[in-house]
Amino acid sequence: AQSVAQPEDQVNVAEGNPLTVKCTYSVSGNPYLFWYVQYPNRGLQFLLKYITGDNLVKGSYGFEAEFNKSQTSFHLKKPSALVSDSALYFCAVRDRDGSARQLTFGSGTQLTVLP
Amino acid sequence: DSGVTQTPKHLITATGQRVTLRCSPRSGDLSVYWYQQSLDQGLQFLIQYYNGEERAKGNILERFSAQQFPDLHSELNLSSLELGDSALYFCASSVVPGEGTDTQYFGPGTRLTVL
Repeated sequence: AQSVAQPEDQVNVAEGNPLTVKCTYSVSGNPYLFWYVQYPNRGLQFLLKYITGDNLVKGSYGFEAEFNKSQTSFHLKKPSALVSDSALYFCAVRDRDGSARQLTFGSGTQLTVLP
Repeated sequence: DSGVTQTPKHLITATGQRVTLRCSPRSGDLSVYWYQQSLDQGLQFLIQYYNGEERAKGNILERFSAQQFPDLHSELNLSSLELGDSALYFCASSVVPGEGTDTQYFGPGTRLTVL
């Protein structure tokens, strides 16, 4: 079975400060990991994904995520937050070696960037 | 804009009724996924189709059904509707299903309200 945990329902950060949105995963094999962002009344937008190789993945809008196999984590980061980054962020996983073909999503983290 | 379209944007209906949600995937994508997003259940995978055939099933109720047509658009049918079916229903598409590197792109969603 595959699962994702986003331990923080809400993250607040001041504009210009670095931000981190946490994600940990559980798979029986090796993971493929994804981050999506959802703005109010919109669908999910793909930000970035980890497949293999470099543990630091760069994505859209200045976001990046670091894959840590030993800690089974894939935290989303940005060096300098913008007010426009305020949104709901979802981490998702697929087990590379498992039979499940679909993504499993975390419960989401609401990011608020304060001006 | 992801290139995935969904109609209608909003749907208000009564308990016991039946509705059909429609999704057109991105050009070139062969696989379609349906998700339900509600406050209490989060983002739940319902069902996946690839090139017209059912590929994977998630937490889809027996009252719900879906199909993918030869032109690759998909419809999700919800019948005997209950108050608890009120949610956002998302469609996503991807090029190759089940390949871990494959990214799913989401449509804007259909908001269903059952009164």
